[in-house]
Amino acid sequence: GDSVTQMEGPVTLSEEAFLTINCTYTATGYPSLFWYVQYPGEGLQLLLKATKADDKGSNKGFEATYRKETTSFHLEKGSVQVSDSAVYFCALIILTGGGNKLTFGTGTQLKVEL
Amino acid sequence: NAGVMQNPRHLVRRRGQEARLRCSPMKGHSHVYWYRQLPEEGLKFMVYLQKENIIDESGMPKERFSAEFPKEGPSILRIQQVVRGDSAAYFCASSPPGVVYYGYTFGSGTRLTVV
Repeated sequence: GDSVTQMEGPVTLSEEAFLTINCTYTATGYPSLFWYVQYPGEGLQLLLKATKADDKGSNKGFEATYRKETTSFHLEKGSVQVSDSAVYFCALIILTGGGNKLTFGTGTQLKVEL
Repeated sequence: NAGVMQNPRHLVRRRGQEARLRCSPMKGHSHVYWYRQLPEEGLKFMVYLQKENIIDESGMPKERFSAEFPKEGPSILRIQQVVRGDSAAYFCASSPPGVVYYGYTFGSGTRLTVV
């Protein structure tokens, strides 16, 4: 079946450090890929997306490139801030006739310290 | 333009009681999805509904859990005879038909605590 694997957290960084959160996937079809962010006590917000190979999604300084050859969608940011502290979820969706459910990774907690 | 509205935000139930979680999708969205987030875990798909139809309930526990999305009113996730293991955050998401590859819009969730 379809699955998403993320690096385990928590990831602890100093402010202005470079961030990479690894994400790889297994899919039976051609997925669209997403990163969602969850701030403490809140729901999930869509951070960025990519719908086909070599697409780069970007938002708020975060980037991720859809790599079909390595089945990966790693999240990066050049300089993190304390306000980026949250849980980040990688997810995929494959459009099928019977349903369009998102499959999530287990999430990676990011803690950014001064 | 209100987002996906879930209520209540927090719900406490004693073991054996019933829990009813409500979700109002965004205006114009006719697809609703329910996900469960257990402590320290990711989100697990439960059920996908369209108005008056259950499209995919492959993630729903076989007993005690049910979901509906009536023609009028919010979608309801119902848990009968709750047990401690049902304690979790339950998230609802909605999407319009035909553009799900852009991802869903999630609500803020209902945090259920069973005591």
